[in-house]
Amino acid sequence: GAVVSQHPSRVICKSGTSVKIECRSLDFQATTMFWYRQFPKKSLMLMATSNEGSKATYEQGVEKDKFLINHASLTLSTLTVTSAHPEDSSFYICSASEGEIAPLYGYTFGSGTRLTVV
Amino acid sequence: GQNIDQPTEMTATEGAIVQINCTYQTSGFNGLFWYQQHAGEAPTFLSYNVLDGLEEKGRFSSFLSRSKGYSYLLLKELQMKDSASYLCAFMDSNYQLIWGAGTKLIIKP
Repeated sequence: GAVVSQHPSRVICKSGTSVKIECRSLDFQATTMFWYRQFPKKSLMLMATSNEGSKATYEQGVEKDKFLINHASLTLSTLTVTSAHPEDSSFYICSASEGEIAPLYGYTFGSGTRLTVV
Repeated sequence: GQNIDQPTEMTATEGAIVQINCTYQTSGFNGLFWYQQHAGEAPTFLSYNVLDGLEEKGRFSSFLSRSKGYSYLLLKELQMKDSASYLCAFMDSNYQLIWGAGTKLIIKP
């Protein structure tokens, strides 16, 4: 089945620095990838939709200058948290679809990245 | 508007059956997903229903009633490893996923 690889799984960074998270579709081409943020015991919050070769579409309230998304190829999307602050500490998850817009096999998620900003 | 609701937490006994309900409201609907998420891990796909009725996959089954805006996930022969959060999500008319907050399922021996 479809596999999405996300790295790193955990990262601790100092306040003010930037962190890059990679999301790769290993055995399929993903024209669209999604970036989520999840707070403890809360639902997944969609941050942005990443389309290969074009600018990401950000959800309302998500700062595009702070959360930089790049989808340079059909198998790689990156999320860069710029000038990170402690409130950016969270669980970030990417997902991609192998099929059409309404996939029968569901969206495949990466393993997630636990970001801690100190 | 759109909303989706599921119970926050449920407890069941190993070997038993449990049903996790999910209700939703939306003007446009393109299917409903169930995902399992273990603590600290990413969600894994369980099922997708777009037509009314019951879909069975081994110990897990998912039901959908579009007219009632209702779905449930049925877990049979519960095992300790089934302890996890179960997320339901519907796809709206813009093909965007709207997620429930998840139901934490606790399995007791």
